[in-house]
Amino acid sequence: DAGVTQSPTHLIKTRGQQVTLRCSPISGHKSVSWYQQVLGQGPQFIFQYYEKEERGRGNFPDRFSARQFPNYSSELNVNALLLGDSALYLCASSTTSGGFDEQFFGPGTRLTVL
Amino acid sequence: GQQVMQIPQYQHVQEGEDFTTYCNSSTTLSNIQWYKQRPGGHPVFLIQLVKSGEVKKQKRLTFQFGEAKKNSSLHITATQTTDVGTYFCAGQGRSYIPTFGRGTSLIVHP
Repeated sequence: DAGVTQSPTHLIKTRGQQVTLRCSPISGHKSVSWYQQVLGQGPQFIFQYYEKEERGRGNFPDRFSARQFPNYSSELNVNALLLGDSALYLCASSTTSGGFDEQFFGPGTRLTVL
Repeated sequence: GQQVMQIPQYQHVQEGEDFTTYCNSSTTLSNIQWYKQRPGGHPVFLIQLVKSGEVKKQKRLTFQFGEAKKNSSLHITATQTTDVGTYFCAGQGRSYIPTFGRGTSLIVHP
């Protein structure tokens, strides 16, 4: 079975631009979470979606938004990019509707903001 | 808000030596998870602990959850070069939001 997939792998943007990152969960997984991982730090929770509804939101500004589609794939949007948004963005899928049981992470999207 | 501290930040060991990383939360946790991230890779789930005082083993890895459910540890016996990577704990408290520690990077010298 395929694991969690994310696209694109790498992305370079300039300050002020907008970016959309995509994630496809493992087949059968209905929960998708997004994390930001800055170099040298642990992943920081951004959002969790389950059955197209937002179930949790971390401490990120409104420039960050996400949605989940009927096929359970998800998009993360970041507007008005700042240099500090440069990071690895990870998507994780799981089967649970609430809580965070075993999460399967994708390879991530490396975003560089110049 | 909930904070999860993890020590040490780095640990160099000779192959065959033991390794331990510690995780401490500022608040009581409902559960704690451990992940391993290889250099250039993504986090891979290792285990979840839920019960106070719980101890779980996976081959050479031993995981403990403190009695107060505010701390946890991961111990690796007789490290191997394949153990190289960064080990993260992630705690979930009443806020439901999972909080990751900064991780402990394990370097194993052959």
